[in-house]
Formats: sequence, structure tokens, C-alpha cells
Amino acid sequence: QVHLVQSGAEVKAPGASVKVSCKASGYNFPTYAIHWVRQAPGQGLDWVGWINTGNGDTRYSQRLQGRIILTRDTSASTAYMELSSLRSDDTAVYYCAIWGGYCASGTCGTGGPFDYWGQGTLVTVSS
Amino acid sequence: DFQMIQSPSSLSASVGDRVTITCRASQDIANNLAWYEQTPGRAPRILIYGASISHSYVPSRFAGSGSGTDFTLTISSLKPEDAATYYCQRYSGAPLTFGGGTKVEIK
Repeated sequence: QVHLVQSGAEVKAPGASVKVSCKASGYNFPTYAIHWVRQAPGQGLDWVGWINTGNGDTRYSQRLQGRIILTRDTSASTAYMELSSLRSDDTAVYYCAIWGGYCASGTCGTGGPFDYWGQGTLVTVSS
Repeated sequence: DFQMIQSPSSLSASVGDRVTITCRASQDIANNLAWYEQTPGRAPRILIYGASISHSYVPSRFAGSGSGTDFTLTISSLKPEDAATYYCQRYSGAPLTFGGGTKVEIK
């Protein structure tokens, strides 16, 4: 059974950085790309980016380009999202998510959609 | 910029009503459209992909249709447990853009 378990809530000052983890289980980690989606309080869903867990390739939302880095540790079956130069409008719940369909070979799911989601991590940016 | 325009942003309907939510893509996305349901405090849950293919756990009262730029999610007979916010999403190409959401309330 697929599970994505994220790290706990964070409170950060403006200008700081935050790193959120997403530990995957129930499948072979390099099989699916991991996406990140964020949701500001009372707002909609905003796609952040994806990481190819096989080769480490990444793709980011233009809105966050230059401030976001996605990485993974295949030995720990864990993906990470690091966001720097935090601003108040980065306050949001951050989710990791994967596609769960049939994957013949390599790493699949860079295109989504998202069958499985983590529980979300609240990042609060406040002075 | 690619956009997914979802309407209405909210609606209030009675149990048993037929509810329709629409989503319009700013470019042709073929059938690369998913619908999600989200209740407060929880992660979204996928209902439909490929514009019209429902996951096995989705009640038959939910149906998706459309292709190209215009898509629809229909709830044929609204139930109390359908109170949620629904999002469309373009997938199969970055950015994987979501619509703004439709909050469905039960009268």
C-alpha cells in the first residue's frame, strides 16, 4: 500500500529557508516522480514542481523558479522540497503527491495526475 | 500563461439536485484533465482522470465529460457527503495547472 508521509509543521522568519521531507513506502521509490503542490490558507491548489526520483531531473513552477530546490535520497526513499528567501505569501500547506498507474520501465508520472498524496506540511512564515 | 478557468467558484444546492461544474482550458489539452475532491483539513482525492474515467471508489453519481478545452463534472443526485471543494487539473505537461476550485455547499 502506497504511503507518503511528510515532516511536521514549520514556523520560519521572513528571509529564512525551509526544507520539507516526503518519505515514500509501499512501492519502488524510483518508479514514480514526486510532485509538490501548495495551498495557501483558504486558497486553491498551486503546483510547485516535480522531481524524477530515478535520475534527479527537476521541473519547477515559473513562479518559484530560483527559490525552490527539489532533491531526493533514494537510499531513504525520501524526497525533499527546500524553499528559500521565504515571504509571508509562502505560508501554505505543502503536499507531495505521485501518480500510481502502470509503469513499464524507468521513472513515470512526471505528467501526473496525482493518485496518492502526503498528509501535508504547514509552513508558516511570520516574524 | 496557461490557465484553467473553473466555474462557478461556489454553489449551494439541495440533496438530490443535479450539480454541474465546468472547467475551461486556455489551450487544447485533449483529455488530459483530472477532477479532485477536497474536504477541509484533508489532502485532495482524485475522482476522475482522462476527463471521464472514474476511479473504482467513486460513486456512480459522479461523471466527467469533455475534451479539448471544455470539461464538466456532474453530480447527478447530490448527497450530504458531497459537500467539498472540487478542483480540475490539466496534466501531462508542465505546469500542471489547477482550476480555482468550486465549493459545493448543501442547503
